[in-house]
Amino acid sequence: DADVTQTPRNRITKTGKRIMLECSQTKGHDRMYWYRQDPGLGLRLIYYSFDVKDINKGEISDGYSVSRQAQAKFSLSLESAIPNQTALYFCATSDETSGQFFGPGTRLTVL
Amino acid sequence: QKEVEQNSGPLSVPEGAIASLNCTYSDRGSQSFFWYRQYSGKSPELIMSIYSNGDKEDGRFTAQLNKASQYVSLLIRDSQPSDSATYLCAVISSGSARQLTFGSGTQLTVLP
Repeated sequence: DADVTQTPRNRITKTGKRIMLECSQTKGHDRMYWYRQDPGLGLRLIYYSFDVKDINKGEISDGYSVSRQAQAKFSLSLESAIPNQTALYFCATSDETSGQFFGPGTRLTVL
Repeated sequence: QKEVEQNSGPLSVPEGAIASLNCTYSDRGSQSFFWYRQYSGKSPELIMSIYSNGDKEDGRFTAQLNKASQYVSLLIRDSQPSDSATYLCAVISSGSARQLTFGSGTQLTVLP
């Protein structure tokens, strides 16, 4: 089984809809992250969490919110989706010194 | 100035050649450095980590770190078409948050 899983893998939605992307990990890491990736812009950090009670904004948090339900679960919500939130979204996990391990990604399209 | 800089490429090398990918970083206190490989439409995959000056070899991959020059590189020996991907350099900053900062990636194409 994959160490980091994301659901859904693909989603098409309409402007104004609320969307939740979910991430689960079995690596036992405390730290979890949400990124988006757009062509030519690389990975941009949306939110990160170093433990269940810790939530931090990343580079591009506007329009997004997160919830850390448990050590192994970290969800990302788009309260009112807009077309420029169309992107590939990745969840990642790490411990304090390791590199990050990424989930398979969610391709989100907002029409 | 970007914190982690990479030549975006594309870099093309013939099959069997050595591919050299370079990265510079601005935070002199950085201690941990990583290389990721990302195939188109897929997630980044951690392929190398390096923490001290010098070379670290793993199969056909060699990571090189020079903290004085704030420079980290990845060499791929005997390049194969399957190595064609975007390679991301990532650095953990020295601040309290110890954030991982990614470069924008270098696209590598290995020509058969």
